[in-house]
Amino acid sequence: DAGVTQSPTHLIKTRGQQVTLRCSPKSGHDTVSWYQQALGQGPQFIFQYYEEEERQRGNFPDRFSGHQFPNYSSELNVNALLLGDSALYLCASRLRMASSPSTDTQYFGPGTRLTVL
Amino acid sequence: DAKTTQPPSMDCAEGRAANLPCNHSTISGNEYVYWYRQIHSQGPQYIIHGLKNNETNEMASLIITEDRKSSTLILPHATLRDTAVYYCIVRVYLGGATNKLIFGTGTLLAVQP
Repeated sequence: DAGVTQSPTHLIKTRGQQVTLRCSPKSGHDTVSWYQQALGQGPQFIFQYYEEEERQRGNFPDRFSGHQFPNYSSELNVNALLLGDSALYLCASRLRMASSPSTDTQYFGPGTRLTVL
Repeated sequence: DAKTTQPPSMDCAEGRAANLPCNHSTISGNEYVYWYRQIHSQGPQYIIHGLKNNETNEMASLIITEDRKSSTLILPHATLRDTAVYYCIVRVYLGGATNKLIFGTGTLLAVQP
């Protein structure tokens, strides 16, 4: 049973550049969420995708955008990178129509460490 | 946005029970409490979740107070590999079967030999 996978594991960019991060959900899951985790902080919700559309968004600027593909995998794109975008970016997947709220659980990938210089 | 408060750090002796407290006094009636842990900047690992009843699985037990304003995660026999940041989280529904996890700042549990 494949878990959530993310690529790349590490990435170094310079200010003003653009970056694309990738995520494959856990087998059987159809919904992907992205979180940003700054050093020493808890993860912050960026947005959630299902049925290839952005459904909910956290307090992040439009420089952060995403995409979901028919196979449920997802990309996170960040444009015009700032030093403050340096963080661990986490992808989490779930089955949107779980059998019940009690079985609705998100599973996280290992993350992509982005460093902006 | 934070809905949970946790102590920043705790120590526990190896082999003893670790009891991690969490306050979530503003939790709404349909919001679940989740616990995840994160070891050295890896992805958060799911531990357990509950709504209002106590829950137990192979990893831990979750005790939720009757008023649901606080909870305690119990690791019955802590090992050195349980050293991690433990997050108490509220799952918020956003409509249309979408939800998000609201993380706090977590508790760093250090298991001592």
